[in-house]
Amino acid sequence: DGGITQSPKYLFRKEGQNVTLSCEQNLNHDAMYWYRQDPGQGLRLIYYSQIVNDFQKGDIAEGYSVSREKKESFPLTVTSAQKNPTAFYLCASSRSGTEKAFFGQGTRLTVV
Amino acid sequence: DAKTTQPNSMESNEEEPVHLPCNHSTISGTDYIHWYRQLPSQGPEYVIHGLTSNVNNRMASLAIAEDRKSSTLILHRATLRDAAVYYCILSKGGSQGNLIFGKGTKLSVKP
Repeated sequence: DGGITQSPKYLFRKEGQNVTLSCEQNLNHDAMYWYRQDPGQGLRLIYYSQIVNDFQKGDIAEGYSVSREKKESFPLTVTSAQKNPTAFYLCASSRSGTEKAFFGQGTRLTVV
Repeated sequence: DAKTTQPNSMESNEEEPVHLPCNHSTISGTDYIHWYRQLPSQGPEYVIHGLTSNVNNRMASLAIAEDRKSSTLILHRATLRDAAVYYCILSKGGSQGNLIFGKGTKLSVKP
C-alpha cells in the first residue's frame, strides 16, 4: 500500500542526546514536511523540502536538522540544542505545495 | 504568510449539517485554501481544498467567498466520527508552497 511511514511511534531519550526520527514515503511525492505539535496546540512547521537535496526552515527550526538525500526519505534530527524537545512529531508529503498532503501517524518523543 | 482565524470550538448534533467558518482576510491571489482534520493522537487527514470556486467531494463541501477572504467547510450530515479538530490552512502555489497550521476548531458531535 502507498503511504507515509514514521518510526518509531514512541521514543524516549535522555536529555542532551541527539535523536533522529524517520519518515519514509512511497507516494513519489516531491514535497515533504516536518511538524511539531504540543498538547492542545496546532501544528508548527519545523522544516520542509520541495525537492531532493533542498530544504527550507519553517517557523521553529532552531535545534533541529534535516536531510533530503533521497526523494522518499526526510529524516529529522532533534539535537541537544532544542530546549524543549518533548512533543508529538508529524511528517507529511505532497506532490506539491498546492496538492493535498498525506500525514504519517506521528512519533511521540519524550526526553527525560 | 497569510494567516487564518477560526473559532476555537463548535458543537453539532448528529445527522445535522455543520458549517465551519474560516477567515483569511490577507489571502493572496496564489494561495490555496485547504482543510484538514485531526483525531486525537493521529496525523491530520486531508478533507478538501480549493482556489476560487466552490468544491465538493465525498467528505465535504467548501464554499469560498467571492472576495476569497473567508471560506466555510460544510459537513452535510455530521456523524460521531466527524468529531475532530478541523484546520483551515493557506498554501502558496508553486515552489513556495507549504502548509501553515493554526489552532483549528474543535468540533463536538452530540448523539
